[in-house]
Amino acid sequence: GENVEQHPSTLSVQEGDSAVIKCTYSDSASNYFPWYKQELGKRPQLIIDIRSNVGEKKDQRIAVTLNKTAKHFSLHITETQPEDSAVYFCAAESGAGSYQLTFGKGTKLSVIP
Amino acid sequence: NAGVTQTPKFQVLKTGQSMTLQCAQDMNHEYMSWYRQDPGMGLRLIHYSVGAGITDQGEVPNGYNVSRSTTEDFPLRLLSAAPSQTSVYFCASSTGAEAFFGQGTRLTVV
Repeated sequence: GENVEQHPSTLSVQEGDSAVIKCTYSDSASNYFPWYKQELGKRPQLIIDIRSNVGEKKDQRIAVTLNKTAKHFSLHITETQPEDSAVYFCAAESGAGSYQLTFGKGTKLSVIP
Repeated sequence: NAGVTQTPKFQVLKTGQSMTLQCAQDMNHEYMSWYRQDPGMGLRLIHYSVGAGITDQGEVPNGYNVSRSTTEDFPLRLLSAAPSQTSVYFCASSTGAEAFFGQGTRLTVV
């Protein structure tokens, strides 16, 4: 089955700096890679996703890059703000078209004002 | 649209008791799933369903049962609760892209 590794487990940045979270996956057939943000005590919510036919996708201050050859993808947050503080999870579809998501263990991002 | 609704939000069980966590969605999604979230472990798939009448096991299915009699409902049953099942449980539904999560159930087994 799919295996997703996520690094780092914790990340502290100064407000205004950039944050990068990296994930690797094992199943070369996977072709859907979402990122979820979970605020304390809340449910995970999708913030951005990318499919394997795209190398990069941006949405305002958030971007995701994908390297299918190396089987890794990354989340980039620019101009971080205190409200970006949360736990971020990467995920990979467990086999093309399976709808099953395998999640990384999460990164706790703290943005220091 | 209410999205994905889970009940209850909190529950305390004694070891050996059984209970059902309810999950309902009103988005007509075929795919539904149950995850458990433990500190430092991310979200782990317990069971999933690709449509009414079809269920399958995920990564950590032991001690849990599911059924899918309708598109809307996907209950999770704990057969004989154990302290190792203390966790936060999330139900989700999806069309194959974005997964929509319920608000979670915090379960404590004492």
